[in-house]
Amino acid sequence: QVQLVESGGGVVQPGRSLRLSCAASGFTFSTHAMHWVRRAPGKGLEWVGFIWYDGSEKHYADSVKGRFTISRDNSKNTVYLQMNSLKAEDTAVYYCAGDPPNSGWRLDYWGQGTLVTVSS
Amino acid sequence: QSVLTQPPSASGTPGQRVTISCSGSSSNIGSNTVNWYQQLPGTAPPLLIYGHNQRPSGVPDRFSGSKSGTSASLAISGLQSEDEADYYCAAWDDSLKTLLFGGGTKLTVL
Repeated sequence: QVQLVESGGGVVQPGRSLRLSCAASGFTFSTHAMHWVRRAPGKGLEWVGFIWYDGSEKHYADSVKGRFTISRDNSKNTVYLQMNSLKAEDTAVYYCAGDPPNSGWRLDYWGQGTLVTVSS
Repeated sequence: QSVLTQPPSASGTPGQRVTISCSGSSSNIGSNTVNWYQQLPGTAPPLLIYGHNQRPSGVPDRFSGSKSGTSASLAISGLQSEDEADYYCAAWDDSLKTLLFGGGTKLTVL
């Protein structure tokens, strides 16, 4: 059974940092690209970024470029989202999602999400 | 404002057929596959349609997708109350090097 479990969310002050983790099981993690997607209150889904299956390529949305970094540890079946210089507009539920090889950017697997609230 | 344009809302009565459109450009829908996601309140958004018109196992055949040029659409036939949700199209953009989501369409079953 496929599972993606995010953790690390919480309340953080503007300008501070937070690191989210996403632990995967039930599929071959090392062959899947992994994405982070968020949904802010009252807004739609927004793609945050992704990391290639082997970590060799990463891309980010303009809204987080230079502040957020995605990394992965295939030995631990875990992907991370390091969020620095957080702003109020980063408040959202953050989801990790798995993207199979050659799938056409298809997000097959999703975690349950973790809430990040940026507030003083 | 999203690069992929969806109507913010749609509605129908039980049993009806509803269509949700998604309009993009040559660098996204025009050159890449379109996937659709369904998000029920308070839950993650699982894959609903992939590769324009394929359904993951477990998705009823009431749901179908299509693509023509730089636009795509999701059709739901035999509308049911449990279909009330937010629907998103998504496609990779070759120019922006980003995965784009449409703004989402809130479907109400009257």
